[in-house]
Amino acid sequence: DTEVTQTPKHLVMGMTNKKSLKCEQHMGHRAMYWYKQKAKKPPELMFVYSYEKLSINESVPSRFSPECPNSSLLNLHLHALQPEDSALYLCASSQIMSGGEGAYEQYFGPGTRLTVT
Amino acid sequence: GQQLNQSPQSMFIQEGEDVSMNCTSSSIFNTWLWYKQDPGEGPVLLIALYKAGELTSNGRLTAQFGITRKDSFLNISASIPSDVGIYFCAGRSIQGAQKLVFGQGTRLTINP
Repeated sequence: DTEVTQTPKHLVMGMTNKKSLKCEQHMGHRAMYWYKQKAKKPPELMFVYSYEKLSINESVPSRFSPECPNSSLLNLHLHALQPEDSALYLCASSQIMSGGEGAYEQYFGPGTRLTVT
Repeated sequence: GQQLNQSPQSMFIQEGEDVSMNCTSSSIFNTWLWYKQDPGEGPVLLIALYKAGELTSNGRLTAQFGITRKDSFLNISASIPSDVGIYFCAGRSIQGAQKLVFGQGTRLTINP
């Protein structure tokens, strides 16, 4: 099973709302990722969790708050977003590599299409 | 930061034609991944490469990890309408740990 699931599929929110995106994987992966993707652009890394701990924050604004409740779940809490934050938000997971050789496939979920009005 | 140059940016071909696209990097990578993304969906992993010179096939798709470890190509043979989409290369360097660097994508359009 190489499935990563994300909910909701679509989300429309106002700039004063608080909402959360959810991601789940059951591949036993201990690294999980949030990406942001604008139209016609590649995915842009936001956060990386390794062993349920935040290991990489790519200087993301604090209005995005990630959370990893356990090894299978990843949330992204949204608050006071701006219209320019409208994008496809992708979750991914992978094994953890300490560097060097080895399998390192990242598997992506279907994404949440976020529109901020 | 690291960048991947992916080319071509777009391709318009006839059904049944073969397709070739490639990615190059200024630094050495130890992993190359090729993804396909349909509109409104997440990227789907097509092929993963881990050794210099490695040539791997997945049906009509063939990808190679360049000998210099700075490039990779993806070929699609006998294209069909469902091959339409955006293809991304992604690479991981030893220094990159858990991070992937993505190419800008190749948009494939097929005329029936």
